[in-house]
Amino acid sequence: GENVEQHPSTLSVQEGDSAVIKCTYSDSASNYFPWYKQELGKGPQLIIDIRSNVGEKKDQRIAVTLNKTAKHFSLHITETQPEDSAVYFCAPWGYKYIFGTGTRLKVLA
Amino acid sequence: DVKVTQSSRYLVKRTGEKVFLECVQDMDHENMFWYRQDPGLGLRLIYFSYDVKMKEKGDIPEGYSVSREKKERFSLILESASTNQTSMYLCASLLLGARETQYFGPGTRLLVL
Repeated sequence: GENVEQHPSTLSVQEGDSAVIKCTYSDSASNYFPWYKQELGKGPQLIIDIRSNVGEKKDQRIAVTLNKTAKHFSLHITETQPEDSAVYFCAPWGYKYIFGTGTRLKVLA
Repeated sequence: DVKVTQSSRYLVKRTGEKVFLECVQDMDHENMFWYRQDPGLGLRLIYFSYDVKMKEKGDIPEGYSVSREKKERFSLILESASTNQTSMYLCASLLLGARETQYFGPGTRLLVL
């Protein structure tokens, strides 16, 4: 069946540094690539997404890059702040969602 | 803003009890989902529904059933709760179209003793 791998599982960065989380998927039919952020006590919330006809998308401090040939996409957060501390999930969509196992990001002040 | 609400934030039940988890969305979305979230395993799909009275099994449907009598409401039922069903349960809704964004509720943390 389809497989989604997300790395790293935990990531600690100093405030102001950059963070990168990578998601690798196996379903070649995937055509929508979102990233969700889950804060403590809340459900996941979409923060950025990209479609398969675009290689990169940026929204202020966050960006997503897609390599469809290699079947992976990455979340980039620049100038990290304490409020970026959360769990991040990738969830490539083909005909259904398959969520990655999550990355716990800690931004150290 | 889309709002997805879940009936309880925390629930404690005993083994063998029948448990109902309710989810309501206010945006007229056709698709609704139930996931369970466990440490290190991410979100795993239990059941989803793409219309009233329609349901499809997800990846881990054993021990669960669902009900969708109205478009806005999707219920997850644990027929006979077991300790291995202790988990965080998340409901989501989705409007298929230009953007397949799922909107999540806050979750129900269920403890089965």
